[in-house]
Amino acid sequence: EAQVTQNPRYLITVTGKKLTVTCSQNMNHEYMSWYRQDPGLGLRQIYYSMNVEVTDKGDVPEGYKVSRKEKRNFPLILESPSPNQTSLYFCASRASGGFVSDTQYFGPGTRLTVL
Amino acid sequence: TQLLEQSPQFLSIQEGENLTVYCNSSSVFSSLQWYRQEPGEGPVLLVTVVTGGEVKKLKRLTFQFGDARKDSSLHITAAQPGDTGLYLCAGAEMTTDSWGKLQFGAGTQVVVTP
Repeated sequence: EAQVTQNPRYLITVTGKKLTVTCSQNMNHEYMSWYRQDPGLGLRQIYYSMNVEVTDKGDVPEGYKVSRKEKRNFPLILESPSPNQTSLYFCASRASGGFVSDTQYFGPGTRLTVL
Repeated sequence: TQLLEQSPQFLSIQEGENLTVYCNSSSVFSSLQWYRQEPGEGPVLLVTVVTGGEVKKLKRLTFQFGDARKDSSLHITAAQPGDTGLYLCAGAEMTTDSWGKLQFGAGTQVVVTP
């Protein structure tokens, strides 16, 4: 089954404690991205990756890091989380970065609370 | 300010009624997508429209892309409780800087009661 998986699904942490949210896809997609979803603001892109070792900033990259060492994995790293990073996070993938009209598949989401 | 403005923000209707959700922008898009998101899940793609004036139908859902490629609408005929969800539009701007990038609207929450 084609899918994007994220872990953990729920996370409560404290300010300043480094955390990583993992993302994996089994469709051999080149393009992967991270979004955060906040009420009234919709989905905003944090970082994206066009392929292995190729990453770039989205609209709201401050406070986040990513890496793309393998095609299937695209972890999101918060080095020093702050309360304003409390949000619902989604990982997504599609076959190619250039064909934006391709189907984009989303993971189930990670609800993060930073106290 | 959202690049894509969706209206209304919230819509509550009875089963069997019709509804329309709008997605508007001042920008021109090469393509526009509609997603539905249910609680606890990620958005799922419903349709992609790429040609100005295009109309696509998916069972009781009708999607239209504006002639000028700046707006879109989603019409649901005879809504059912299973249509309940957050409907999101997403567009790809026709600019070099936005190549490959999707911009999302804030969404319209639709609730269909039996």
